[in-house]
Amino acid sequence: KAGVTQTPRYLIKTRGQQVTLSCSPISGHRSVSWYQQTPGQGLQFLFEYFSETQRNKGNFPGRFSGRQFSNSRSEMNVSTLELGDSALYLCASSLGGGATEAFFGQGTRLTVV
Amino acid sequence: GESVGLHLPTLSVQEGDNSIINCAYSNSASDYFIWYKQESGKGPQFIIDIRSNMDKRQGQRVTVLLNKTVKHLSLQIAATQPGDSAVYFCAATSGGYQKVTFGTGTKLQVIP
Repeated sequence: KAGVTQTPRYLIKTRGQQVTLSCSPISGHRSVSWYQQTPGQGLQFLFEYFSETQRNKGNFPGRFSGRQFSNSRSEMNVSTLELGDSALYLCASSLGGGATEAFFGQGTRLTVV
Repeated sequence: GESVGLHLPTLSVQEGDNSIINCAYSNSASDYFIWYKQESGKGPQFIIDIRSNMDKRQGQRVTVLLNKTVKHLSLQIAATQPGDSAVYFCAATSGGYQKVTFGTGTKLQVIP
């Protein structure tokens, strides 16, 4: 079956702009989690959605938001981009939620200039 | 809050030897631990997990050991192969499965 698909793979934005990233989970998976990966901070948890509801949230400012649709696809949005938002954004899906055998996508590489 | 750290940023191992990657965590309430492998240009890939009620779990060529007394986790890879070259992350969860804290990663380099 198809894996986790993230689009786009690469993105370049200017400071102050906003961006929307998309994640399509593995068919049948209802949980989608988002992570930010940077060389300095490593992998940091952003939030998790399950059945269209945000179930958990990490320690990121309100500029980072997300949503999940009825087909379990998820989007995350970052508004008023800052240079420090440059990172690899990863999403992971799992059947019932949780980190148990979560499957990651290849990520979206966001560069803010 | 939880912090998870790996002991060495880079580990070089001869092909065929065993590799041991270590990880320490701070939160004694952590109840579930996962090891991931991330190859260049790819997302992390689940390798093996262990729950806090166990101290050892084995998979194919991999073994995870958990020492709750000293809050230490290790990943052992038997007969390391070139394809094992990647960055390895340990992760810990507590208070709900999705509040996952990742370590900074250890880069494993396999010398042919």
